[in-house]
Amino acid sequence: SQQGEEDPQALSIQEGENATMNCSYKTSINNLQWYRQNSGRGLVHLILIRSNEREKHSGRLRVTLDTSKKSSSLLITASRAADTASYFCATAEPNYKLSFGAGTTVTVRA
Amino acid sequence: DTAVSQTPKYLVTQMGNDKSIKCEQNLGHDTMYWYKQDSKKFLKIMFSYNNKELIINETVPNRFSPKSPDKAHLNLHINSLELGDSAVYFCASSQVYVDTGELFFGEGSRLTVL
Repeated sequence: SQQGEEDPQALSIQEGENATMNCSYKTSINNLQWYRQNSGRGLVHLILIRSNEREKHSGRLRVTLDTSKKSSSLLITASRAADTASYFCATAEPNYKLSFGAGTTVTVRA
Repeated sequence: DTAVSQTPKYLVTQMGNDKSIKCEQNLGHDTMYWYKQDSKKFLKIMFSYNNKELIINETVPNRFSPKSPDKAHLNLHINSLELGDSAVYFCASSQVYVDTGELFFGEGSRLTVL
């Protein structure tokens, strides 16, 4: 069954605006990762946050993790047209399995 | 240099046929994976190999058989293809599976079964 679920399914924003997407999961995790997928391409790793961390930054990306609520959020600040892609959260379970959801499709309008 | 490469990129075939997808990684990683992405973009793990040994085998029909001749290669053979097998299949690798760290993905192989 699906572990991570992203919300919203789709997001359309103006260039320069911030984009926020959320991920909820069901079981305990070792870490949570976010990936980006451009249309017709493979997934690219963006950021990893461990279960004992609450927030992490990487460039224009900010990830939060709330293990008590079993949820995470990804914030992309000052979005650009090149940020148009699908974003996936992936949960690393204690059995070493990395489970993905169906992603959030982000469209950044010029 | 492509880190994780899959061939073929596109595969169109008739129901009932047998087909293979090959994957190679040049990152020196110990662990390789096959994921299936359906038309709704949901990505589901199928298999995982660590140093040629099968460590994850999800509920996948027996028609799917992975094979890892060495730790740099993980191939996927599919027998008696069905319409529902149409999807994009991604190969991925990671350094050490016990850390469940970053996965490096190939560009995908789009399989269409007619």
